[in-house]
Amino acid sequence: EDQVTQSPEALRLQEGESSSLNCSYTVSGLRGLFWYRQDPGKGPEFLFTLYSAGEEKEKERLKATLTKKESFLHITAPKPEDSATYLCAVQAIKAAGNKLTFGGGTRVLVKP
Amino acid sequence: DSGVTQTPKHLITATGQRVTLRCSPRSGDLSVYWYQQSLDQGLQFLIQYYNGEERAKGNILERFSAQQFPDLHSELNLSSLELGDSALYFCASSVEQVSNDDEQFFGPGTRLTVL
Repeated sequence: EDQVTQSPEALRLQEGESSSLNCSYTVSGLRGLFWYRQDPGKGPEFLFTLYSAGEEKEKERLKATLTKKESFLHITAPKPEDSATYLCAVQAIKAAGNKLTFGGGTRVLVKP
Repeated sequence: DSGVTQTPKHLITATGQRVTLRCSPRSGDLSVYWYQQSLDQGLQFLIQYYNGEERAKGNILERFSAQQFPDLHSELNLSSLELGDSALYFCASSVEQVSNDDEQFFGPGTRLTVL
């Protein structure tokens, strides 16, 4: 069964203090790994898709990387508006349809 | 704004009742997905429809059912509601059934409270 574990569960940062979030996964053939951002009471907002080990993608202060067993979301010089829950999800090659399996998320709080 | 719409935003009902949640996908998207998010279970896949046909099922209870109509909007029906069904229900949509760059875009959700 596909599994996704995110760590830490929560992260408190000072504005400007860079950090990394971890997403470890077990999947029977990875078709894609997805990162989403979710604000309280709202739907997840798509950030990145990564397909193969060694791939990297960037968007503003966020950079996602992928290895064969985990993905990292690096937040560089974060601002208070980066406070959110970051969700990681995997899609397996053998999955029925396009089902996403999500991790529990990392709650990030950036203090000014 | 993802382009996915869901109604209603909030729903409060009693145990044993039945409710219907509605979702309109982004223009041009053929696939619709339903997910449930609760505090203890996180975001869980329920079911996927592609162009009117069921494509994949997750941990969806027998008391729950869904359908996708010819205009591609979808409805999730929840019956014989229990306290444990209280959760956020999200709809997502994507362009194709299986392809690269087939990101799922999520709606704002329906918050269901069962009293």
